[in-house]
Amino acid sequence: DGGITQSPKYLFRKEGQNVTLSCEQNLNHDAMYWYRQDPGQGLRLIYYSQIVNDFQKGDIAEGYSVSREKKESFPLTVTSAQKNPTAFYLCASSIRATPSYEQYFGPGTRLTVT
Amino acid sequence: AQKITQTQPGMFVQEKEAVTLDCTYDTSDPSYGLFWYKQPSSGEMIFLIYQGSYDQQNATEGRYSLNFQKARKSANLVISASQLGDSAMYFCAMRGTREAGTALIFGKGTTLSVSS
Repeated sequence: DGGITQSPKYLFRKEGQNVTLSCEQNLNHDAMYWYRQDPGQGLRLIYYSQIVNDFQKGDIAEGYSVSREKKESFPLTVTSAQKNPTAFYLCASSIRATPSYEQYFGPGTRLTVT
Repeated sequence: AQKITQTQPGMFVQEKEAVTLDCTYDTSDPSYGLFWYKQPSSGEMIFLIYQGSYDQQNATEGRYSLNFQKARKSANLVISASQLGDSAMYFCAMRGTREAGTALIFGKGTTLSVSS
């Protein structure tokens, strides 16, 4: 089955620790995205990548880092510099980075930092 | 700046009735796509329907249709014959060539509750 996997589903960390969220897709999509969702809110873009070995900051990139060494993988690291890291994180992919293609989403990771 | 506005925080409908979820958008981009996603309590985002800015006809996908009024910049989602399983959060989103990586811009969402 083709799709996007994110692991783990729930993640708990102590303040001051870096944590990496996994995102893998086997859809052969070029573009991948990371969004953050806070309670009662829509999604906001953290980082995106249109091609392997290239990625760009989104609207709320501060305190986050990514890598895109393989087409299938786009991990997100939440660093200790992120002031409010507790949120729901969603990874998405799209065949191309063009308006006519929908984005497919993974199941998400709920991160809680205490 | 591109923006999506959903003015209905919550909507209530009975089973088998139709419901319209409102969405207005703002963009100066001539080429864009409008999307609706459903988010159940599990959190996954499920793609429902797409409308391109140059499409002449309104999009339909099963019980979902998109009422696209370009001059008014509105893209309302119509769900016909509501089912209990339709209870979820619904997001309107836009994707344009001028946004970073053509990422989706989301509205704040509408919570739909379907009762029997």
